[in-house]
Amino acid sequence: NAGVTQTPKFRILKIGQSMTLQCTQDMNHNYMYWYRQDPGMGLKLIYYSVGAGITDKGEVPNGYNVSRSTTEDFPLRLELAAPSQTSVYFCASIYSPGNTEAFFGQGTRLTVV
Amino acid sequence: SQELEQSPQSLIVQEGKNLTINCTSSKTLYGLYWYKQKYGEGLIFLMMLQKGGEEKSHEKITAKLDEKKQQSSLHITASQPSHAGIYLCGAANDRGSTLGRLYFGRGTQLTVWP
Repeated sequence: NAGVTQTPKFRILKIGQSMTLQCTQDMNHNYMYWYRQDPGMGLKLIYYSVGAGITDKGEVPNGYNVSRSTTEDFPLRLELAAPSQTSVYFCASIYSPGNTEAFFGQGTRLTVV
Repeated sequence: SQELEQSPQSLIVQEGKNLTINCTSSKTLYGLYWYKQKYGEGLIFLMMLQKGGEEKSHEKITAKLDEKKQQSSLHITASQPSHAGIYLCGAANDRGSTLGRLYFGRGTQLTVWP
């Protein structure tokens, strides 16, 4: 059972470039999340999804886009990378928020130069 | 929206000492999570609390959820260097327009020196 898989693990982008962070889970969870973690800080919610075809903004959605065409996949898109998006990104999934454990990917360390 | 305040932001203790980390919510908690993170790594699930007054333990770590379900504490007994890391509390929204959201606090950085 792979759990939540994020790719890539590391990436360096130039300002203005775009990229997609991939997130896949094999637990058939409806709920999926993207967070960013800045140095010395907690997790800030970027976007989340309560099921295939449904996405919603979190606390810090500006500069990002998501899609949820399948239950398994929840990619995060950065269209015009900016230095402020340098961070560690975590994807998570959960069966029932508040009732079951949330599973996290290993993170993607992104640097924008 | 759900706000989770963690205190202290950082903690430095000598090995063998006890310590407590607090997580306070602006609203009633419907599921409170504690995770641990080693520097540069992913998140490790510690425990989840749901009922007011509930207490759970795992090895030397105990977490409690108060009766009003607006505050949780994480207590480590006889701390060890292996306990060092960032401790994060999280909570879920179970109603309203933000149903399904999963929030986290800013984290508490724990350093344990020998």
